[in-house]
Amino acid sequence: SQTIHQWPATLVQPVGSPLSLECTVEGTSNPNLYWYRQAAGRGLQLLFYSVGIGQISSEVPQNLSASRPQDRQFILSSKKLLLSDSGFYLCAWSVSSGGRSYGYTFGSGTRLTVV
Amino acid sequence: KNQVEQSPQSLIILEGKNCTLQCNYTVSPFSNLRWYKQDTGRGPVSLTIMTFSENTKSNGRYTATLDADTKQSSLHITASQLSDSASYICVVSVKAGNMLTFGGGTRLMVKP
Repeated sequence: SQTIHQWPATLVQPVGSPLSLECTVEGTSNPNLYWYRQAAGRGLQLLFYSVGIGQISSEVPQNLSASRPQDRQFILSSKKLLLSDSGFYLCAWSVSSGGRSYGYTFGSGTRLTVV
Repeated sequence: KNQVEQSPQSLIILEGKNCTLQCNYTVSPFSNLRWYKQDTGRGPVSLTIMTFSENTKSNGRYTATLDADTKQSSLHITASQLSDSASYICVVSVKAGNMLTFGGGTRLMVKP
């Protein structure tokens, strides 16, 4: 069965420090991978998605970047965090077949607080 | 513009009571509609997924309905439990795509 791992669960970082959040998927090949951010009391906002190794699409211009060094690994990074980067970050995966997406499972999330 | 609107934004009910959450969408072309439950501080967990041809789908005490003509869906929770306290998110996807459109969610609180 497919599983998605996301870590760390919580993170407190000072302003200006770098960030690296990691997400890995097991049990599937060539998944579509996504990074979302959820501000307190708000809906999910798509940040990045990737349909393959090295292929990253950005939905919202911001202080963050994403990379996909391996088929089932997706990394969210920042060189210098801002206070506004605080939020709940979620990784998700799906598989495409016949023009439709399947799965769309979320990780457990990372609570980032920038202080 | 693809949009998903959920109502109410928040809801408080007593344990054991039933409730119904609403979702209206303007996403086109429609592929499927999902309901997720998100506990505080956790990732969303899928409850149901319905395609165009499905009118209702159940998962335990959760029953989702879909009216593709009026572009409305509902999630009915029967005999609510304290553990049902969470945010419920309606999510619609388009055909031939991997992108989802999320509703803002309904925050449900079940009180003893």
